[in-house]
Amino acid sequence: DVKVTQSSRYLVKRTGEKVFLECVQDMDHENMFWYRQDPGLGLRLIYFSYDVKMKEKGDIPEGYSVSREKKERFSLILESASTNQTSMYLCASSHRASGANVLTFGAGSRLTVL
Amino acid sequence: GQQLNQSPQSMFIQEGEDVSMNCTSSSIFNTWLWYKQDPGEGPVLLIALYKAGELTSNGRLTAQFGITRKDSFLNISASIPSDVGIYFCAGRRNQAGTALIFGKGTTLSVSS
Repeated sequence: DVKVTQSSRYLVKRTGEKVFLECVQDMDHENMFWYRQDPGLGLRLIYFSYDVKMKEKGDIPEGYSVSREKKERFSLILESASTNQTSMYLCASSHRASGANVLTFGAGSRLTVL
Repeated sequence: GQQLNQSPQSMFIQEGEDVSMNCTSSSIFNTWLWYKQDPGEGPVLLIALYKAGELTSNGRLTAQFGITRKDSFLNISASIPSDVGIYFCAGRRNQAGTALIFGKGTTLSVSS
């Protein structure tokens, strides 16, 4: 069963901590994405990547960075976590042939920053 | 960043009722998609639409790509309890390198 795996379902961090959210896909997809989901705001794109070592800013990149050293892994980094980054984070991937349309999502990582 | 206007925000219906939700944008999109998110899971693709005017069904679900290319709707017929979840519309403009833009979601509750 192909899938996108997010390493942590729940995390609790303190303000100012550095946070790593890891995402791995086993579908050999070229495209990978990080979204955050907040009630009433839907899904907002943070960063995406169309290839190894490549990244593009989404709609809300401030306070975040990403790393794509291997095709199957896309990491989201919060350099200094703040309380307004408490949210559900969703990783997704897609095959280049489908463009960015047919996304396969992970189950999400719920981050709480105290 | 641009977001899609999705309505209604939430719906509370009885089992067996039909449901309709829609999504609009001020910009033209060349692709419209509908995703469903079950509680505790990531969204899953329900229907993809690629051509203006296209009407596509997936079981009890029917979606249409608006003629103006600025809107789409999703209908669910004869709802059942497992239809509960958050439904998201998503669109993509005709620009290379652009990612999907999502609506804010419609939360559906079904009582039996």
